[in-house]
Amino acid sequence: DQQVKQNSPSLSVQEGRISILNCDYTNSMFDYFLWYKKYPAEGPTFLISISSIKDKNEDGRFTVFLNKSAKHLSLHIVPSQPGDSAVYFCAASPSGGATNKLIFGTGTLLAVQP
Amino acid sequence: DSGVTQTPKHLITATGQRVTLRCSPRSGDLSVYWYQQSLDQGLQFLIQYYNGEERAKGNILERFSAQQFPDLHSELNLSSLELGDSALYFCASSVSVVSGNTIYFGEGSWLTVV
Repeated sequence: DQQVKQNSPSLSVQEGRISILNCDYTNSMFDYFLWYKKYPAEGPTFLISISSIKDKNEDGRFTVFLNKSAKHLSLHIVPSQPGDSAVYFCAASPSGGATNKLIFGTGTLLAVQP
Repeated sequence: DSGVTQTPKHLITATGQRVTLRCSPRSGDLSVYWYQQSLDQGLQFLIQYYNGEERAKGNILERFSAQQFPDLHSELNLSSLELGDSALYFCASSVSVVSGNTIYFGEGSWLTVV
């Protein structure tokens, strides 16, 4: 039962252009959505998050959009840089207060071409 | 450097054996999580502890167990190891169990079962 899905295993983008990474979820009982970035041989690093009561959050080159009716979120990176090449994981945190564990998607490998 | 320390970084062991993975959370963090990442898989939540008590459990096998000690470090014990247990095991920590708290990951422990 994959509650958080990233349907694109990989994405290739030219340097300077926009990267758009997508994520879908099936459970309406999520409080927060997060994006993590992972380089090989390193642990995931927190990138940006959004509360379920918002539809957009921006931090520098990174913007996350949340469409609750479609159960869809996306991460926009503008402009993309070669150093952004990594695996990006979408994650969701359930509401209810008992736990803030993260449920992860399977990741999207972003390659930014110079 | 996330501040979450995991040891050992690499471990090779034989089927049927038992291993212990150790995690020191970031200073001040009370909650510890364990995740498993197998080849081509996303991060699967195993278990969460908060201030020494189990908080949430995921699809953790009965052969696996964990605990969080009074000094807040945590150990994940994997026994009767099988080839399929070969994976990257991540520990993570956060200040509390409140949804939206940033969760910081260690660099992982690579387990190879031969």
